[in-house]
Amino acid sequence: AQTVTQSQPEMSVQEAETVTLSCTYDTSESNYYLFWYKQPPSRQMILVIRQEAYKQQNATENRFSVNFQKAAKSFSLKISDSQLGDTAMYFCAFIGASGTYKYIFGTGTRLKVLA
Amino acid sequence: KAGVTQTPRYLIKTRGQQVTLSCSPISGHRSVSWYQQTPGQGLQFLFEYFSETQRNKGNFPGRFSGRQFSNSRSEMNVSTLELGDSALYLCASRADRNDYEQYFGPGTRLTVT
Repeated sequence: AQTVTQSQPEMSVQEAETVTLSCTYDTSESNYYLFWYKQPPSRQMILVIRQEAYKQQNATENRFSVNFQKAAKSFSLKISDSQLGDTAMYFCAFIGASGTYKYIFGTGTRLKVLA
Repeated sequence: KAGVTQTPRYLIKTRGQQVTLSCSPISGHRSVSWYQQTPGQGLQFLFEYFSETQRNKGNFPGRFSGRQFSNSRSEMNVSTLELGDSALYLCASRADRNDYEQYFGPGTRLTVT
């Protein structure tokens, strides 16, 4: 069975600094997709970034980038130049491409950006 | 394009009652998934609907059910409510089953007293 683990329940970072959120996963599938979702205190879950497992290049979206290590089954999220609006719960998610179409979410990391 | 909408946003129910939650996906999206979010259990998958058929189901008792209409709108129903059903219920849609990006609604906060 696939699992997603986020080992950091809470983190904090100073405004303008860089922070990295960790995520590891376990799967026997060779092709899959990984996502980071952000859930601010207002609750709307927002897709931050996605990574296709068959792509070796790490995905980047503005200040958000990932470090995807397929062999290590690691998928960390780096937030550069942290802003107060980045304060949120961050969820790592996995979905296999074999046809199960079922997302597996990690337990989340609560990130607080300090002024 | 409008996002995923969920109604109502807040609900308070009493143990033993039943409740129906509604989700309207992004226009053109055909797959709708439901999740239960609680502080202790995190995000747990309830079920997925596509073309009016349940395609996937999570590990929830039969009190939790759902359906999807021809316009892709979906409802989920919880019967015989228990205190432990208090949670944020999130709906997510995606364009097709082979489209792996899903978009979430704001959620319905259900409180069972």
